[in-house]
Amino acid sequence: AQSVTQLDSQVPVFEEAPVELRCNYSSSVSVYLFWYVQYPNQGLQLLLKYLSGSTLVKGINGFEAEFNKSQTSFHLRKPSVHISDTAEYFCAVSDTGFQKLVFGTGTRLLVSP
Amino acid sequence: DVKVTQSSRYLVKRTGEKVFLECVQDMDHENMFWYRQDPGLGLRLIYFSYDVKMKEKGDIPEGYSVSREKKERFSLILESASTNQTSMYLCASTGAKDYGYTFGSGTRLTVV
Repeated sequence: AQSVTQLDSQVPVFEEAPVELRCNYSSSVSVYLFWYVQYPNQGLQLLLKYLSGSTLVKGINGFEAEFNKSQTSFHLRKPSVHISDTAEYFCAVSDTGFQKLVFGTGTRLLVSP
Repeated sequence: DVKVTQSSRYLVKRTGEKVFLECVQDMDHENMFWYRQDPGLGLRLIYFSYDVKMKEKGDIPEGYSVSREKKERFSLILESASTNQTSMYLCASTGAKDYGYTFGSGTRLTVV
């Protein structure tokens, strides 16, 4: 069975600093990988996805993620965060045969001035 | 833009009540999903549907059922609400050849 681990439940960072949110997955088959963001009292919004091709994926709001098959990781990065990036971020995995997503437990990014 | 609309943002129901959560999408998506979200547990799949009148159990189907009579609508039913079903419920949809969901805004259900 697939699973996703987000080791950091909360990441505090100062505005304009870089940030990395970690995601590791386990799967015995090829996978698709996703990052979603959830702002307070809202549903989830797709940030970016890896389906195939280049292992560096660029998403909305200046975020990017790198697929590393050997380390089974898909870490999310942003070179300079804004206060408005304060939200919860979810990593998710889907195998290539189905469209069900398995989500991690989420990482709360707290950006302070 | 694809829209997934959940009929209620907040609901308060009594223990033992039958509860209906409605979800409607407007992009002719084949696949629809119900998740519940709890702090520290992330999102867990309750049920999903690949087509009208088809349904599949997810990881935590106990105490829930679903209905999909029309392609655009996917309903989650709590047969007899219990306090441990107090949670945020999220509906999502995707096309048959797409990967990556579109989510609704969620329904925060409190069972008292």
